[in-house]
Amino acid sequence: DVKVTQSSRYLVKRTGEKVFLECVQDMDHENMFWYRQDPGLGLRLIYFSYDVKMKEKGDIPEGYSVSREKKERFSLILESASTNQTSMYLCASTPGTSDSDTQYFGPGTRLTVL
Amino acid sequence: TQLLEQSPQFLSIQEGENLTVYCNSSSVFSSLQWYRQEPGEGPVLLVTVVTGGEVKKLKRLTFQFGDARKDSSLHITAAQPGDTGLYLCAGASYNTDKLIFGTGTRLQVFP
Repeated sequence: DVKVTQSSRYLVKRTGEKVFLECVQDMDHENMFWYRQDPGLGLRLIYFSYDVKMKEKGDIPEGYSVSREKKERFSLILESASTNQTSMYLCASTPGTSDSDTQYFGPGTRLTVL
Repeated sequence: TQLLEQSPQFLSIQEGENLTVYCNSSSVFSSLQWYRQEPGEGPVLLVTVVTGGEVKKLKRLTFQFGDARKDSSLHITAAQPGDTGLYLCAGASYNTDKLIFGTGTRLQVFP
């Protein structure tokens, strides 16, 4: 069975802290994605990666960075958390490079920045 | 920026009622997916439609891709409490290599 796991379900951080969100997939998928989900805005793509050590900016990369040192792991980093980064963060993976591939999502991390 | 607008944003109905959710854009998509997200979980794929005018059925759910490939609809017949969740459409664009997600429709079905 396909599985995407995220390191935390809930996180509370203070403004200015460095925050790491980890995502691991066990399906040997090539592609991994980080989205943030806010009410009424759907899912917005932050960063994605098509290969190890490769990253591409999504629609809203400002204030975020990513790391993909191993194929199965894709990390999202908030260098200096701000209150407007309070959101639900979803990680996803897909097997190939087709846009119509199924996206397999983790359960999400709800981040609150105080 | 490409946008996928979903309507309605919220829907609250009684068990047994029928409903339709719409997903509209001014852009053309090569394919369109529908996901359902239950509380505390990530979205899960329901269906992918790839041909203009295509209709796909999944038990009580009927999905249609518009002839012009700019819009889609999801119709649920005789809704059940288990249908409760957030429904998201997502379009694969010809212009970019990313999936564009819709704004979401939150459905609540009461027993």
